[in-house]
Amino acid sequence: EIVLTQSPGTLSLSPGERATLSCRASQTVFSRSLAWYQQKPGQAPRLLIYGASSRATGIPDRFSGSGSGTDFTLTISRLEPEDFAVYYCQQYGGSPWTFGHGTKVEIK
Amino acid sequence: QVQLQESGPGLVKPSQTLSLTCTVSGGSISSGSYYWSWIRQPAGEGPEWIGRIYTSGSTNYNPSLKSRVTISTDTSKNQLSLKVTSVTAADTAVYYCARSEVQTPYFDNWGQGTLVTVSS
Repeated sequence: EIVLTQSPGTLSLSPGERATLSCRASQTVFSRSLAWYQQKPGQAPRLLIYGASSRATGIPDRFSGSGSGTDFTLTISRLEPEDFAVYYCQQYGGSPWTFGHGTKVEIK
Repeated sequence: QVQLQESGPGLVKPSQTLSLTCTVSGGSISSGSYYWSWIRQPAGEGPEWIGRIYTSGSTNYNPSLKSRVTISTDTSKNQLSLKVTSVTAADTAVYYCARSEVQTPYFDNWGQGTLVTVSS
């Protein structure tokens, strides 16, 4: 099973700032098969990024993903008030599909 | 637009069987283009993939739960179901059903989730 480690656990930033979230895998993720999700309290996760860098339908271009192998990054170029939430990475390169424990982006 | 809605008891006693249903609307669960999964998320933790089913009835399960889990579909009702046997407090979580395309097992459509608490 591929274990995903997300860092930092919490990111305290102000609106307008840049957020950089990390996801590290315990082994190589096949074919950049990594997704990012956003989750707000009481809601289901929402798909943001798939294939490490492709934005899902309707996702603003301030969200971008990068990385390959074992190291992946989600960047939010300028934080909007609605972006404060918890973010999870998920690998789907090998079964069982696994998720990280999340990074909370909170208002500073 | 396809919508998923979970339903089932919110409280289950230890050692009993947890049973949930996911009703799919706006699209057919029999479409050959998708897998249908169950995912759970304990409070304050990341999600955990439980397993999935294809329209043919073929299933894949997370090895950590495989011995206790059954996923099935009822195409006449456009529903999928989840059964988890011999539950303990560790099975307390929000349970989601979710959809993924056959070739790309990330989850592009989720239900709102239902909280199941295991307690006597």
